[in-house]
Amino acid sequence: EIVLTQSPGTLSLSPGERATLSCRASQSISSSYLAWYKQKPGQAPRLLIYGASSRATGIPDRFSGSGSGTDFTLTISRLEPEDFAVYYCQQYGSSPMYTFGQGTKLEIK
Amino acid sequence: EAQLVESGGGLIKPGGSLRLSCAASGFTFSNAWMSWVRQAPGKGLEWVGRIKSKADGGATDYAAPVKGRFTVSRDDSRNTLYLQMNSLNTEDTAVYYCSAVVLYSFRHWGQGTLVTVSS
Repeated sequence: EIVLTQSPGTLSLSPGERATLSCRASQSISSSYLAWYKQKPGQAPRLLIYGASSRATGIPDRFSGSGSGTDFTLTISRLEPEDFAVYYCQQYGSSPMYTFGQGTKLEIK
Repeated sequence: EAQLVESGGGLIKPGGSLRLSCAASGFTFSNAWMSWVRQAPGKGLEWVGRIKSKADGGATDYAAPVKGRFTVSRDDSRNTLYLQMNSLNTEDTAVYYCSAVVLYSFRHWGQGTLVTVSS
């Protein structure tokens, strides 16, 4: 089973700052199989990035994804107030078929 | 615009059964691979199960904690996804989301329905 570990657990930043969120896999995965989601309290998750670096429809270009192998990164170039939320990475593999990281909470400093 | 609307959640006693539904619109449901994802209160996301489109064979797959107890099915004539949950226990308490799977990721999500398993 591939385990995804996200760091940090909580990230405290101010609007306008740059956010860098990490997702590390316990073994190498294909970049095609790595996605990122944003979830605000009381709402469903929303797909941000798929295939490690492709933005989903309607996602602003301040969001970018990168990485390969076991290390992947979500970067938010300039934080807007609506960006403060919990972020999850997710991978597609074999048993279990889909796994999520434990999440990174991005909070206003 | 794709829309998914879950229903059927509620309070159920341990050992009971419940069936969730997910009504889809705004996309070609019959071509979509569909999944259920759950989130226990205050916890992260957990994949539950997936069903392929009939054109791709219609196969189902499940996460280990629910295998043998939960069944994912679909009715393409009604654009509806189902999750039959049997032998429920307190660890199954969660918000259950249905989602359309595209390119190995969960592209569209419903608003979720809460299932509470408690005596």
